[in-house]
Amino acid sequence: DSGVTQTPKHLITATGQRVTLRCSPRSGDLSVYWYQQSLDQGLQFLIQYYNGEERAKGNILERFSAQQFPDLHSELNLSSLELGDSALYFCASSRNFATNEKLFFGSGTQLSVL
Amino acid sequence: GENVEQHPSTLSVQEGDSAVIKCTYSDSASNYFPWYKQELGKRPQLIIDIRSNVGEKKDQRIAVTLNKTAKHFSLHITETQPEDSAVYFCAASKGSEKLVFGKGTKLTVNP
Repeated sequence: DSGVTQTPKHLITATGQRVTLRCSPRSGDLSVYWYQQSLDQGLQFLIQYYNGEERAKGNILERFSAQQFPDLHSELNLSSLELGDSALYFCASSRNFATNEKLFFGSGTQLSVL
Repeated sequence: GENVEQHPSTLSVQEGDSAVIKCTYSDSASNYFPWYKQELGKRPQLIIDIRSNVGEKKDQRIAVTLNKTAKHFSLHITETQPEDSAVYFCAASKGSEKLVFGKGTKLTVNP
């Protein structure tokens, strides 16, 4: 167990809908990262938050947004869902904002858009 | 931005043989190179990492080598075991910039 908690584990929804994925980082970790994993694209970085502030942005679509709350948990909101958004979404956390340190991944949320 | 290429995409070896996975990166300023292992249906987990001031690092049966001039780094697994079967991801980053992952190598160790 990495100490990073993601809910829900599975999510099935329809095109056009909106979903929220939730992540609680390890105790003491201030940085939260969101990654999308699809079969042919590996781990694609979406966004990073550090202590409540957006720190870095990757290939995140405008239909997607995220935030980190004062208790450091984070939510990833996906709206106007398309079939191509079906993927495994991972959250990871680390102690600080520097990316040259170990990331601890959650178990992921498997999103299926039908 | 940084681009990481990983080869091969699949690798099959016999138990006891060695396995080598190679990655190249584009940004010469990158200074941190971790390797993550992802077993089927599980989360990625860090297995070893190396920083640019070191050329090689070992941890039991696993080693990573870094060639800064050629901008490539490799993962070496010796005496492979069936439990080494997984997808392995290399990654690179510099400073506080985002960690960029390769597309992964599916390693199968046949008993």
